[in-house]
Order: sequence, then C-alpha cells, then structure tokens
Amino acid sequence: EAQVTQNPRYLITVTGKKLTVTCSQNMNHEYMSWYRQDPGLGLRQIYYSMNVEVTDKGDVPEGYKVSRKEKRNFPLILESPSPNQTSLYFCASRRDRVYNEQFFGPGTRLTVL
Amino acid sequence: EDQVTQSPEALRLQEGESSSLNCSYTVSGLRGLFWYRQDPGKGPEFLFTLYSAGEEKEKERLKATLTKKESFLHITAPKPEDSATYLCAVGTNFGNEKLTFGTGTRLTIIP
Repeated sequence: EAQVTQNPRYLITVTGKKLTVTCSQNMNHEYMSWYRQDPGLGLRQIYYSMNVEVTDKGDVPEGYKVSRKEKRNFPLILESPSPNQTSLYFCASRRDRVYNEQFFGPGTRLTVL
Repeated sequence: EDQVTQSPEALRLQEGESSSLNCSYTVSGLRGLFWYRQDPGKGPEFLFTLYSAGEEKEKERLKATLTKKESFLHITAPKPEDSATYLCAVGTNFGNEKLTFGTGTRLTIIP
C-alpha cells in the first residue's frame, strides 16, 4: 500500500530536549516536505526536499533541521524544542517537483512543556 | 505574498442540502489549485487539481471549478460521511515549489 508514515504519532517533551520525528514514504517520490498545522494559521511549510541531499527552507524553518540521505526518508529534527513548537506536524511527498498529487502522513502531535 | 482565503470557516448542512465552499486566492503565477479533505486526527487527503480558469473536476458528490480569482467546491446532496474539513491550496511558479494553504472550511452534514 502506497503510504507516508511518521513516528511517533504523539510526543510530549520538555524544553531543550532534542527530538527527531521520522518520515518515510514507499512510493519512490522525489519531493518531500514538512508542514506544521496550527489553529487559524492553516498548514505552513517548514522545509522541503526535491531529492537526496537537496533541501531548502519553507515559510517557517526557524528552530528546525532536516536531512535527506535516502530517497525514502526525511526526518525532522528539533535541536532545542520550545513551547512555541507545540503543533501538529505532517510529512508529505509527491512524485516530483511538478504539481501533482501530494500524499500526507498521519501526523505527529507534539507538545513541548 | 501569496494568499489563500477560504469561506465560510464552518458550514452545517442537512443531509441532501447542496451548497458551495469558496477559495479565493492572490498569487503571482498560478501553477495549480488543489483541494484536500481532512478528517479529524488524520492527514489531508488529495481530492482535485485544477490548472486553468474554466476547468472543472468531479468526484462523486463533489465538483471543483476554477476562475482567475477563486475556486468553488460544490457539494451536491451531501451525506453525513462528507463531513470533514476541506482545504484549498495553491502552487506558484517561482523558486520554492511549495503549496500555500488556506485555513479550511469545516463542513458538518446533519442526518
């Protein structure tokens, strides 16, 4: 089954404790991205990657890091989480940079205390 | 700056009562307009892509249309299972191949 998976689905942590949210897709997609979703603000892009070793900032990259060492994986790293990073996070992938169907993961609900 | 505005924020309809959701946009060079459905606690699910004014797409009880300034998602004779939040997004030309999302319309269909 074609899918995007994220782990963990739920995470409660404390300020400053480094964490990683994993994202994996099994569709051989080139393009992957991370979004955060906050009430009243909609989905906002954090980072995106157009292929292995090619990443760039989205609209709200501050406080986040990403890497793309393999085509299928695109982890999101919070080196020193803060309470304003409490949010619902989605990973997404699509076949390539052309605007075609984008698949979203199930989401990771992060709470930073 | 690209902007996407969806209205209304929330809509309650009786089962079978048809209506439309609106997505208005201001962008520099539209490459595509997308509709997604999002159920509570889940990721958005792709519905349609529209590329040019005048284009229409249909799927079951849903029909999406596009003009130069806005898109409509028409829902005909909705059922309770159509209850969800509907998101609109636009893709634009230059540099970052990103989508700009609206904040969505939360649709509730009452049996």
